[in-house]
Amino acid sequence: EVQLVESGGDLVQPGGSLRLSCAASGFTFTTSYMTWVRQAPGKGLEWVANINPDGSETNYVDSVKGRFTISRDNTKNSLNLQMSSLRVEDTAVYYCSGGHGWESDYWGQGTLVTVSS
Amino acid sequence: EIVLTQSPATLSLSPGERATLSCRASQSVSGNYLAWYQQKPGQAPRLLIDDASRRATGIPDRFSGSGSGTDFTLTISRLEPEDFVVYYCQQCGTSPLTFGGGTKVEIK
Repeated sequence: EVQLVESGGDLVQPGGSLRLSCAASGFTFTTSYMTWVRQAPGKGLEWVANINPDGSETNYVDSVKGRFTISRDNTKNSLNLQMSSLRVEDTAVYYCSGGHGWESDYWGQGTLVTVSS
Repeated sequence: EIVLTQSPATLSLSPGERATLSCRASQSVSGNYLAWYQQKPGQAPRLLIDDASRRATGIPDRFSGSGSGTDFTLTISRLEPEDFVVYYCQQCGTSPLTFGGGTKVEIK
């Protein structure tokens, strides 16, 4: 059974930092393209960042460039998102997802990040 | 950035009817790498269609995708009660990848 389990979501003050993690199992993580997608409360989906199977290519939405870093550890089947200089508008449920290409075949249940003073 | 416009924002239909959802791109989607997702309340999205017309594993055949270039369509041939939720398109051909704003299918 495919499983993606996110962790690390929390309440953080504006300007703070947070690290999200995603533990993958049930599929071949080392050949999968991985993505973070977020959804602000009551809003639509927003693609945040993705990374190719060997980690040599990363891409980001403009609003997080220079603040967020996506990474993966293929020895541990894990995906990470290091977030810094957090803003109120970063408040959202963050989903880890993966697939055979850049589309998201598999999804985690999401982890809530709240940025507020 | 490729902007995806989904229409209508809300579609009011009855069970058993046919639903036609549109996704229009501001420029051609590279490789027709266009995906459709379904999202039920309180749940993560689920992939329905990728590469514009290929059904994902386990997706019922009442769901079909079509289109190319800038105009894409998701069709649900006969609406079941569980289909009355929100649908998103996503282009996966050009970074930054982008989602449409969503179409909510509601019971008339």
